[in-house]
Amino acid sequence: DAGITQSPRYKITETGRQVTLMCHQTWSHSYMFWYRQDLGHGLRLIYYSAAADITDKGEVPDGYVVSRSKTENFPLTLESATRSQTSVYFCASGTGLLTEAFFGQGTRLTVV
Amino acid sequence: AQRVTQPEKLLSVFKGAPVELKCNYSYSGSPELFWYVQYSRQRLQLLLRHISRESIKGFTADLNKGETSFHLKKPFAQEEDSAMYYCALSASNTDKLIFGTGTRLQVFP
Repeated sequence: DAGITQSPRYKITETGRQVTLMCHQTWSHSYMFWYRQDLGHGLRLIYYSAAADITDKGEVPDGYVVSRSKTENFPLTLESATRSQTSVYFCASGTGLLTEAFFGQGTRLTVV
Repeated sequence: AQRVTQPEKLLSVFKGAPVELKCNYSYSGSPELFWYVQYSRQRLQLLLRHISRESIKGFTADLNKGETSFHLKKPFAQEEDSAMYYCALSASNTDKLIFGTGTRLQVFP
C-alpha cells in the first residue's frame, strides 16, 4: 500500500536496551522527519533528512541515531533507552518544506 | 533559532461560538506557516498553509508578519472540530519543520 508506515506500533523495552523504530514511505519523498510527542511539549523534532545520506539534528537529538541509506527508509535508533524516552514517536515525509508533510500512525514506546 | 509558540494548551467553547487558536513564531527569515490537526485516533494531517490562502472546513489563518502571528480562526465552531491543533513553521535555510506545543480544542454541544 502507498503511504508512510511505522513499525512497531507499540513497543515496551527495558532501560539500557537498544531499540530501533522503523519508518517507510512509498512516495520517494525527499524530506523525512522524526518527532516525539509528549504532553506539554507538543511535537519536538528529533532528526530530519533532506535526502538520502543527508541527516541533521533537530531540537532533541541526544540519545538517538538515524540513518538514511535509502530514500524510502528512515530508521530511528535509541542506543541505550532511558525512561525519559518513553513517548509517542512520529515519522513524517514530504516533497519539500512548502508542501504538506505526511505523518505515520505513530509508535508508542515505553521504557521500563 | 526558529520557534513556534501556542500559548493555550486547552480551549473550550460551545458549538456555534467563534474560535481563535493563537500561534506566534520567531524566525529571522521569511516563514512558511502551517496548521496541522490531529483528530482522535487519527494521524496528524495538514489543515491549511498560509501560502495557499485557503479556507478549509471553515478555518482561516492570516500571516501577520508585524506581530509574527498566524492565528487560526473559525466563526462558528462545530463539535467535529474537537481535536489537537498544531501550528508549524518551515525554515528553508535549515530544512527544519518545527511544531508548537499544540492546543486542544474542545467544542461542547
